Amino acid sequence: AQSVSQHNHHVILSEAASLELGCNYSYGGTVNLFWYVQYPGQHLQLLLKYFSGDPLVKGIKGFEAEFIKSKFSFNLRKPSVQWSDTAEYFCAVNAFLERQGGKLIFGQGTELSVKP
Amino acid sequence: DTEVTQTPKHLVMGMTNKKSLKCEQHMGHRAMYWYKQKAKKPPELMFVYSYEKLSINESVPSRFSPECPNSSLLNLHLHALQPEDSALYLCASSQVGYQGQQFFGPGTRLTVL
Repeated sequence: AQSVSQHNHHVILSEAASLELGCNYSYGGTVNLFWYVQYPGQHLQLLLKYFSGDPLVKGIKGFEAEFIKSKFSFNLRKPSVQWSDTAEYFCAVNAFLERQGGKLIFGQGTELSVKP
Repeated sequence: DTEVTQTPKHLVMGMTNKKSLKCEQHMGHRAMYWYKQKAKKPPELMFVYSYEKLSINESVPSRFSPECPNSSLLNLHLHALQPEDSALYLCASSQVGYQGQQFFGPGTRLTVL
């Protein structure tokens, strides 16, 4: 069965520190990959997505992610975090379902706390 | 218009009440979804509608009853809920098929007393 694994449950950083959140997926077919962010009390927002092409994708708010097919990984990075990046981050895989919408499979989430 | 709207934003109901959640999109998407999300947990898929027909039911209890009256609307009818059903209920929509990025609504925060 398809699954998504996020390595860290809770990450605590100081402002200006660099961020890398790990995400590995288990799925034999071609996938679309996503990172979503959920700020406290708010709804899910798409940070970035990978469908095909350049494996290094850039998203909003200075985030980027790299798709490494051989490692089944899609890690999220940001060179310098801000207090406003405090949020829950979810990695997700969209597995193909013929004649249906994709079934979005989420990782368990990583809570990021940035100290001012 | 890349927006999915959901009403109401908040809902408090007793265990004997009947209520409905509503979701609407005007992006021409023919796949629509209901998710349930508990605090600090990922969204859990409940139902998928494809071309206005129920295509996936993730073994959701019958006290949750989805309905897709047309290609823009998705409802979730609630009846005899339990306190553990309190959660954020998210609606999403996408194109049908492989490349379908899902667009999420802001959710309805449901409290069952």
